[in-house]
Amino acid sequence: DTEVTQTPKHLVMGMTNKKSLKCEQHMGHRAMYWYKQKAKKPPELMFVYSYEKLSINESVPSRFSPECPNSSLLNLHLHALQPEDSALYLCASSQDYGYEQYFGPGTRLTVT
Amino acid sequence: GEDVEQSLFLSVREGDSSVINCTYTDSSSTYLYWYKQEPGAGLQLLTYIFSNMDMKQDQRLTVLLNKKDKHLSLRIADTQTGDSAIYFCAESNGDNGGSQGNLIFGKGTKLSVKP
Repeated sequence: DTEVTQTPKHLVMGMTNKKSLKCEQHMGHRAMYWYKQKAKKPPELMFVYSYEKLSINESVPSRFSPECPNSSLLNLHLHALQPEDSALYLCASSQDYGYEQYFGPGTRLTVT
Repeated sequence: GEDVEQSLFLSVREGDSSVINCTYTDSSSTYLYWYKQEPGAGLQLLTYIFSNMDMKQDQRLTVLLNKKDKHLSLRIADTQTGDSAIYFCAESNGDNGGSQGNLIFGKGTKLSVKP
């Protein structure tokens, strides 16, 4: 089983809202990732968690706040987003950092 | 810096073979990947090859790696309409520390399969 699940599938939020994206995997993977993907572009790495600790932050604005409550779960808390933050947000996991990554189906976020 | 290049479009007829090409610049790349993305979906890992291999075959998929020319290709035999998608080539340096394990993606090749 190489399944990564993400909820919600779609999210529409206003610029003053606070919302969270969730990601879950039960493969025993110890690295988890958040990516942002704009239309017709490849995914861009945002954050990497390794063994539940934040190991890479690709200079992401503080309105995006990641959290890893345990080894199976990864959250992305959103606050005061801008319309240009509208994108597909992808979660991925791998056995360990640097190993092949398995992606979830993504959350389509629209900021109004 | 690291760069991965792919042609943007490929159109083939159903039943033909498709060959998607990719070039990369980082000679220390350890792993090279092919991902498939259908409209509105996440990325599906199709296959990957370790840099000390020349070829890997998995059912209809054949990956060829020319390390000297830093060229990677994905061949899909007997292409079907369900193969229509965007295919991303990606490379990483594995677990060599720092950010070298990050995936570096190409821009993606949109494969269109005509019936």
